Amino acid sequence: GNSVTQMEGPVTLSEEAFLTINCTYTATGYPSLFWYVQYPGEGLQLLLKATKADDKGSNKGFEATYRKETTSFHLEKGSVQVSDSAVYFCALNIPGFQKLVFGTGTRLLVSP
Amino acid sequence: EAQVTQNPRYLITVTGKKLTVTCSQNMNHEYMSWYRQDPGLGLRQIYYSMNVEVTDKGDVPEGYKVSRKEKRNFPLILESPSPNQTSLYFCASSPQSYSNQPQHFGDGTRLSIL
Repeated sequence: GNSVTQMEGPVTLSEEAFLTINCTYTATGYPSLFWYVQYPGEGLQLLLKATKADDKGSNKGFEATYRKETTSFHLEKGSVQVSDSAVYFCALNIPGFQKLVFGTGTRLLVSP
Repeated sequence: EAQVTQNPRYLITVTGKKLTVTCSQNMNHEYMSWYRQDPGLGLRQIYYSMNVEVTDKGDVPEGYKVSRKEKRNFPLILESPSPNQTSLYFCASSPQSYSNQPQHFGDGTRLSIL
């Protein structure tokens, strides 16, 4: 089946630290991959996406590269800020399937 | 402003009392969907709609109903709510359901069923 596995949180970092949140997937077909972010009390917002192998999505200093050989889409940021504290969801969507498949989410806490 | 609007944002109610959560989008999107978010489970799809009068079950449809009489609205109906439906609910929409079209989410509705 189709599934997404994310590292469990919370991930606790100091401001300006390097961030990696791991995401691996299992999929039939050729999925598109997404990272969504959920700030406290808000809905999910698209952070970045990649639609084919070796694509790199980037936004707001975050990056993730679609790695077909390792079925991964790890989220990285070189220097986190307090304002990056949120829950991050990795997700996939496969052509012909009418839904996003989400990981369980990883909470990031950044302290000053 | 392009947005997905859910109402209410918060609701505490009792078992068996019918309730409706409304969802409206102003982007002329064809595809709409409902998810529930539970700790440790991420988001799971309840129902989705490809267009007006076209709806189908997602992964966890039991206990829920939907309708899509107009393109912009996609209400979620709990005819006889039970405590296991206590959750955070999100409505989402996208131009179509194809893979590279991101979904736009509402701010969520937190339901507590006592």
